Amino acid sequence: SQTIHQWPATLVQPVGSPLSLECTVEGTSNPNLYWYRQAAGRGLQLLFYSVGIGQISSEVPQNLSASRPQDRQFILSSKKLLLSDSGFYLCAWSVTTWSWPQHFGDGTRLSIL
Amino acid sequence: AQTVTQSQPEMSVQEAETVTLSCTYDTSESDYYLFWYKQPPSRQMILVIRQEAYKQQNATENRFSVNFQKAAKSFSLKISDSQLGDAAMYFCAYDSGTYKYIFGTGTRLKVLA
Repeated sequence: SQTIHQWPATLVQPVGSPLSLECTVEGTSNPNLYWYRQAAGRGLQLLFYSVGIGQISSEVPQNLSASRPQDRQFILSSKKLLLSDSGFYLCAWSVTTWSWPQHFGDGTRLSIL
Repeated sequence: AQTVTQSQPEMSVQEAETVTLSCTYDTSESDYYLFWYKQPPSRQMILVIRQEAYKQQNATENRFSVNFQKAAKSFSLKISDSQLGDAAMYFCAYDSGTYKYIFGTGTRLKVLA
C-alpha cells in the first residue's frame, strides 16, 4: 500500500533563517506531488505541484520554492523565512494520470519567531 | 475562476442525529470532481467522499452521503447517526482535473454527547 511521510512534524524558526521541509511517498511510482499551506482558520492553498522529476509548477508568488530531486521526494524550501510564512504545511500525492483523489501527509506546523 | 464556498463556519449535532454541511461552488467547466475531506484535531486530511460531476447518482460511503445538485452548483454532505469521532473540520474541495484542488474555508463540526 502507498504511504506518505512528511517531516518534521513541528518546526520553530527565526525570521530570516532557511527552511527545508521534506515529503516522500512509498509504494507508487511517478506520483503527482503537491505542497499546500493552511493558515489558521482557513482552507488549504495550493503552493506547488509536480508531475515529474524536476517539473515544478508554482501557484502563488511567494518566498518559497519547491524541488523534486527524486521521483518520490518533494522538498519545500526558503532561503529567508518571513513571519507570514507561519502556518501548517501539507504534502499530498495522487496517481500519475489523475489529480484526484489526493492523499495527504500528516503536515508540518511551522512557527516563525 | 473557480471558487468554493462553505457558508457554515460551525455546526453542532447531537450524537446519533443527522447533520448536513453545505458547499456551493462556481465553475464554467462541465466535467469536474468534488470531494469532502475531514480534518480531525490531529490535522491529518482524510478523504471522506468524492463525486464525479458526470454521475447523476449521489455518492454514498457508509454513514456519509452527498446531495449533488449540478445545476445549482451545490454539494452538501449528510452525516447520519453522528458519532463523537465525527467531530472535525470538514472541507469541501473542487478539482477540474488540472491538478489544482480548490478548497472551501471549512466547517467545524461539533458532536454533542
